[in-house]
Amino acid sequence: NAGVTQTPKFRILKIGQSMTLQCTQDMNHNYMYWYRQDPGMGLKLIYYSVGAGITDKGEVPNGYNVSRSTTEDFPLRLELAAPSQTSVYFCASSYGSDRGFSYEQYFGPGTRLTVT
Amino acid sequence: QKEVEQNSGPLSVPEGAIASLNCTYSDRVSQSFFWYRQYSGKSPELIMSIYSNGDKEDGRFTAQLNKASQYVSLLIRDSQPSDSATYLCAVPRRGGGADGLTFGKGTHLIIQP
Repeated sequence: NAGVTQTPKFRILKIGQSMTLQCTQDMNHNYMYWYRQDPGMGLKLIYYSVGAGITDKGEVPNGYNVSRSTTEDFPLRLELAAPSQTSVYFCASSYGSDRGFSYEQYFGPGTRLTVT
Repeated sequence: QKEVEQNSGPLSVPEGAIASLNCTYSDRVSQSFFWYRQYSGKSPELIMSIYSNGDKEDGRFTAQLNKASQYVSLLIRDSQPSDSATYLCAVPRRGGGADGLTFGKGTHLIIQP
């Protein structure tokens, strides 16, 4: 299993440009997440999905969009990039659970994005 | 909005000693607690999860949970230089965890040879 993969690893965008960050998992996990991490800060949730066709906003969704057409893929779209979106972006997935709690999340390698 | 607090460090520990990392959280109803290790420039790696009061041991790692005090800790025994990293504490953002985790800012641990 490759686990969670993300592309690209690095990207420099100009202000106002758009791009899509790709995320794919091969663990058949229903739950997928996008976080951003700014220097010296914890991770902040951008969007999440509990299954194909279902997405919802996290703590910091402004300036981003997502889609989930398959179980495996969860792309993150940046429209009209701004310097405030300079960050490291991590995708994560989880198999879920409930009464046994869990919802352990497994992370991809990240995409380092700079907007100038 | 749940809050997760960690001392940012750096916490410096001699090689072979016990490293103790602490985390407090604001929400009394949290049921799941996670510790992630993050090396510089890398992604977070899950090292421990704990759901019940008390201790949970896995190799050199022990997680300790006290729900009454809203406190979870991570002990690393026989610390090695390879344990030098930032350790992130996380709790479910809402409910059980389906809708994501809230992370602390992390504690930077340095193991001195």
